[in-house]
Amino acid sequence: SYVLTQPPSVSVAPGQTARITCEGYNIGSKSVHWYQQKPGQAPLTVIFSDSDRPSGIPERFSGSNSGNTATLTITRVEAGDEADYYCQMWVGNLYDRVFGGGTKLTVL
Amino acid sequence: VNLVESGGGVVHPGTSLRLSCAASGFTFGTYEMDWVRQTPGKGLEWVAFISFDGTNKFYAESVRGRFTVSRDNSKNTLYLLTNDLGPDDTAVYFCARQGVRGSFDYWGQGTLVTASS
Repeated sequence: SYVLTQPPSVSVAPGQTARITCEGYNIGSKSVHWYQQKPGQAPLTVIFSDSDRPSGIPERFSGSNSGNTATLTITRVEAGDEADYYCQMWVGNLYDRVFGGGTKLTVL
Repeated sequence: VNLVESGGGVVHPGTSLRLSCAASGFTFGTYEMDWVRQTPGKGLEWVAFISFDGTNKFYAESVRGRFTVSRDNSKNTLYLLTNDLGPDDTAVYFCARQGVRGSFDYWGQGTLVTASS
């Protein structure tokens, strides 16, 4: 089955830029989505279709996808961005929607 | 958009539970829906998909043959019948609305299922 690999943790100081990667074979040929999950809460879509932002998500959140790596970038990181972030894609057949293992973003 | 799950609980291994997801704030019968679960302290796992009219259903390999997804569009409700539950099925179960290109655009708050002797 298809595997998406994320770093377990990323740490960044407030005001800096956080980059969270999601690696998978030829992932650039698929659409990747990103979710933010805070403790005790449901996931929230922050990026869909590689780089689109749902309404209400700050412009500080952006996404890119090429080759074997998709990246979620958060600029001017704030304390409230501290959360787990998951990438996800639809493999292409109706049987498989795959999640990455998640990355814990810590704001120092 | 509001999705509210219910039906979780503590059960003995080998038994069954029916989870429900009440939808409101959108035309439920025109959207594909999914169940996604999250094991305690772990990541997310897609469980099941159902088409807008219920004619197409797909399952993760880990639950195929044991879980059944269904929906009642007249009641704006999604269901997941979970049979032969085992310890590995212990998780928070979320219902989620399908967005574009296989994404999940709205999620419920989840319901906890614990299979333990």
